[in-house]
Amino acid sequence: EIVLTQSPGTLSLSPGERATLSCRASERIISNYLAWYQQRPGQAPRLLIYGASSRATGIPDRFSGSGSGTEFTLTITRLEPEDFAVYYCQQYGRSRTFGQGTKVEI
Amino acid sequence: EVQLVESGGGLVQPGGSLRLSCAASGFSFSGFSMNWVRQAPGKGLEWVAYISSSSSTIYYADSVKGRFAISRDSANNSLFLQMSNLRDEDTAVYYCVKMGSSGRKSWFDSWGHGTLVTVSS
Repeated sequence: EIVLTQSPGTLSLSPGERATLSCRASERIISNYLAWYQQRPGQAPRLLIYGASSRATGIPDRFSGSGSGTEFTLTITRLEPEDFAVYYCQQYGRSRTFGQGTKVEI
Repeated sequence: EVQLVESGGGLVQPGGSLRLSCAASGFSFSGFSMNWVRQAPGKGLEWVAYISSSSSTIYYADSVKGRFAISRDSANNSLFLQMSNLRDEDTAVYYCVKMGSSGRKSWFDSWGHGTLVTVSS
């Protein structure tokens, strides 16, 4: 099973600041089959990024994904109040596994 | 607009059974593979089961293999999860999730709001 480790566990920032979230895989993820999801309190997860760097429909361009192999990053360039949430990475190249999540808090 | 509406959750005793349903609309249900994903209270996401568009391919997480069964009724745009021999650790919100593309290796592009399953005596 591919294990995804997200860091940091919690990121404390202010609106307008830049957030950089990391996702490290225990082995290489083929074809960059990696996605990022946002989950606000009391809500279902929402797809942000797929294929490591492709934004999902309707996702603002302040969200971007990068990386390959075993190291991936989600960047939020200017945090809006609604961006404070938990973010999960997921690999879908071999079965499907999620990281443990990074909480972005004010 | 894609809509996924889960139902069937509730309180069940350890060792008991429960059947979850998901009503899908707003897309060509028969053309997409589907999944169940769960989230224990205060915890992260755990993929549970996958079923291909034709039902010919099914996968389960090791934690539920032999106890859960995923199925679909494409004529009625419905997805199911039959859960048996339930354990305390199966307590979670269960999400019905649509794949983003028709391929087997795909991201999850649409999620239902979830249904809560509580296993407790």
